[in-house]
Amino acid sequence: QVQLQESGPGLVKPSETLSLTCAVSGYSISSGYYWGWIRQPPGKGLEWIGSIYHSGSTYYNPSLKSRVTISVDTSKNQFSLKLSSVTAADTAVYYCARRMDYEFDYWGQGTLVTVSS
Amino acid sequence: EIVLTQSPGTLSLSPGERATLSCRASQSVSSSYLAWYQQKPGQAPRLLIYGASSRATGIPDRFSGSGSGTDFTLTISRLEPEDFAVYYCQQYGSSPRLTFGGGTKVEIK
Repeated sequence: QVQLQESGPGLVKPSETLSLTCAVSGYSISSGYYWGWIRQPPGKGLEWIGSIYHSGSTYYNPSLKSRVTISVDTSKNQFSLKLSSVTAADTAVYYCARRMDYEFDYWGQGTLVTVSS
Repeated sequence: EIVLTQSPGTLSLSPGERATLSCRASQSVSSSYLAWYQQKPGQAPRLLIYGASSRATGIPDRFSGSGSGTDFTLTISRLEPEDFAVYYCQQYGSSPRLTFGGGTKVEIK
């Protein structure tokens, strides 16, 4: 059974960088698939942030592209998200997920990140 | 940019009733690239339908998807108590590569 688990600070100060990691178990990232990050502000809908292939190729939501970096560490079977220059608008539950073909079939439980001083 | 508009925003129905949820795209979307998710409070979204009409693993057959081009539909034939949730459609393809609709809440009447 594929499982994903997000980890990282729950509180980030404005203008700083949000950093999260997604640990994958039950499947080797090196075997394939794209892996992605999605976020959901409290009480609102879902927003795709970006995705990465096991080879390291990435693509990002253009609205966030200038601030986002997604990387993969196949040796640890995990991938990571960095979002720079955060503001209160970046407060959200952040999910990591596996992209099957064109949709996400396995999701982490999500982690709430609050941007506040 | 393809925008997905879901309607209605809220659907108030009773258990046993049929639910019909709409997802309209601002431009044509390949059927292969249209998915539906269910999300309950405090939980991650769960994939229901992919390729517009294929049920994901373990999804009951009361859930069905249909549509093409710019109009897609998720139908729940008979609502069970556990089906009251928020439903999102999602498309893949045009920049931004992935977008979600705003969601439809199915609530108990």
